[in-house]
Amino acid sequence: AQSVTQPDIHITVSEGASLELRCNYSYGATPYLFWYVQSPGQGLQLLLKYFSGDTLVQGIKGFEAEFKRSQSSFNLRKPSVHWSDAAEYFCAVGPYSSASKIIFGSGTRLSIRP
Amino acid sequence: SAVISQKPSRDICQRGTSLTIQCQVDSQVTMMFWYRQQPGQSLTLIATANQGSEATYESGFVIDKFPISRPNLTFSTLTVSNMSPEDSSIYLCSVSRDNYGYTFGSGTRLTVV
Repeated sequence: AQSVTQPDIHITVSEGASLELRCNYSYGATPYLFWYVQSPGQGLQLLLKYFSGDTLVQGIKGFEAEFKRSQSSFNLRKPSVHWSDAAEYFCAVGPYSSASKIIFGSGTRLSIRP
Repeated sequence: SAVISQKPSRDICQRGTSLTIQCQVDSQVTMMFWYRQQPGQSLTLIATANQGSEATYESGFVIDKFPISRPNLTFSTLTVSNMSPEDSSIYLCSVSRDNYGYTFGSGTRLTVV
């Protein structure tokens, strides 16, 4: 069965510290992977996506993610977080098709300690 | 990527009534997706709307409760019918453009009282 697991429900980091949010997936074919961010009261914004090629992908707002096929992981990282990064982060997986749905993880809430 | 306009952005409705949510895309797309996000939860797909055919509903969602229209390639509506407090959620529409990933509308925050 297809699934996405985000094992951390809530993470708190200090401003300026590094961040890694974990994402593991189960998918029958070559997955297409996404990270979205949702600020309070807002819709979802795409941070980055991986379709193929270089397994280290760069996104907006200084985020990056690394696809590791052997570990079925697609962890999100940022070297130095800012207070404005406090939000809910969702990992998602799906096929490469505009006619197909994607599956979301349960989300990780990020809090920033001043 | 596509730009999606979704409205209303929020509403407070009486139980037993219905609310229709509109989703307008700035370009033609084959499929449009409707999601529900219950308080503190992740996104759950309600249905996939294809222009010119019946929407395809996910397990647990039925057409009588969530009728969907897709009159053309840039527009869709989702109606939440006979609402109860359990329908209080954020409802989001989404589209996919090859190589651009999935874009989401800003959502409709529904509160049923």
